[in-house]
Amino acid sequence: GAVVSQHPSRVICKSGTSVKIECRSLDFQATTMFWYRQFPKKSLMLMATSNEGSKATYEQGVEKDKFLINHASLTLSTLTVTSAHPEDSSFYICSASSRGPSYNEQFFGPGTRLTVL
Amino acid sequence: QKEVEQNSGPLSVPEGAIASLNCTYSDRVSQSFFWYRQYSGKSPELIMSIYSNGDKEDGRFTAQLNKASQYVSLLIRDSQPSDSATYLCAVEKAAGNKLTFGGGTRVLVKP
Repeated sequence: GAVVSQHPSRVICKSGTSVKIECRSLDFQATTMFWYRQFPKKSLMLMATSNEGSKATYEQGVEKDKFLINHASLTLSTLTVTSAHPEDSSFYICSASSRGPSYNEQFFGPGTRLTVL
Repeated sequence: QKEVEQNSGPLSVPEGAIASLNCTYSDRVSQSFFWYRQYSGKSPELIMSIYSNGDKEDGRFTAQLNKASQYVSLLIRDSQPSDSATYLCAVEKAAGNKLTFGGGTRVLVKP
């Protein structure tokens, strides 16, 4: 099956620092990757859609200058949380899309738990 | 009205019984439907995808789709304690590849 990795799995940082999270599709090429955020006991909220070689599309209410997304290749997308604050503490999950003529499935990475002190 | 609605649960079922999960969606042009399982502290895992009306079976799981009623369900047969998790219904609109998730239904399978 499709495998998506994320790194790091857990990060603790001080307020004001920037944190970079990597998302890789290991066994398929993903033209589209997605970044989600999930707060405790809540469902996934899509932050942005990342297409290889183009600018990310952000969902309403998500600050593009705070959450920088780069999708440099078909297997790698990165999310950088700039000047992180405690309210940014959350579970960040990426997914990669495998799309065929009759199907469209998203496979999720294991997630990155960010704690901002 | 939320775009994708699920009963939050918890849905408590005895081991070996059938767990029935429901999901309704508001956008009639939705084309693709997915069920994900999420264990506490983990990311979602794709269980089933369904694209046309009717039933689709995969092992102990059966997804049912009724586009006229804007309804998709998931049946888990012979429920096991390891099935205890939150089940997320996700819907893709006609274009754009984005998924909209429901709030999830928490399932508890009691031995």
